[in-house]
Amino acid sequence: NAGVMQNPRHLVRRRGQEARLRCSPMKGHSHVYWYRQLPEEGLKFMVYLQKENIIDESGMPKERFSAEFPKEGPSILRIQQVVRGDSAAYFCASSPPVSSYNEQFFGPGTRLTVL
Amino acid sequence: QKEVEQNSGPLSVPEGAIASLNCTYSDRGSQSFFWYRQYSGKSPELIMFIYSNGDKEDGRFTAQLNKASQYVSLLIRDSQPSDSATYLCAGGGMNRDDKIIFGKGTRLHILP
Repeated sequence: NAGVMQNPRHLVRRRGQEARLRCSPMKGHSHVYWYRQLPEEGLKFMVYLQKENIIDESGMPKERFSAEFPKEGPSILRIQQVVRGDSAAYFCASSPPVSSYNEQFFGPGTRLTVL
Repeated sequence: QKEVEQNSGPLSVPEGAIASLNCTYSDRGSQSFFWYRQYSGKSPELIMFIYSNGDKEDGRFTAQLNKASQYVSLLIRDSQPSDSATYLCAGGGMNRDDKIIFGKGTRLHILP
C-alpha cells in the first residue's frame, strides 16, 4: 500500500510532555501538509513542507509547535509542553511534485489526547 | 481572510434521490476546488476536483463550478446509505504552492 502513512494513530500525553507525530508521504510525493481538526470543526492548515524546506508555516502557532521534513525519513510535527487545548486529530497530506492543482491525499491521522 | 463557506447541515436525502451540496468562496483568485468525503472518525478522502467553469462528472458524482458567482457544488445521483458522511469543500489559490482552504463541511444523511 503506497498511501500516506502516519504514526502513531493514537497518542496520549500528560500536560507538559512532548508529542511527536510522524508522516510518510505517498510514494513519489515530495510535498507534505499538516492539518489540525477539532471535533465538529473543519481542517485547519498548519504547515507545508518540501524536503528540507518549510514553504508555508502561516498556520503554525508561534510557540511550542515545529515541523520538519528531512532529506531522509518521515516528516515530523513536534508539539512541546502540550496543553489540553492541543487535543485534536492531526492529519498529514501529500501531493505529487508535478501537480498543477495541488490535489492532496490524506493519511489516517493521529488522534492526540492530552490528559 | 480567505474563506470557504458551507451549510453545516445535516442534509437528509432519501435513498435513490439526488443530493446537492453547495459551497461558496471568498477569494476570486482561487483556481482549483476540491470535494472530500470524511466518514466519522476517519480521514478525508478526495472524491472530485474541478478547475474549469461548468460541470465535471465522475460516476454518480458531478462537480459544478461557477467562478463568476464564486460557487461550487457537488451532486450525488442515486444516493446510497454509504454516501452518508461529511463532505468538505476546499479551494486552492492562484499558484500551485498556495495553501488549500477548507470549509467546515456539510453532514449528509441518506435515509434508507
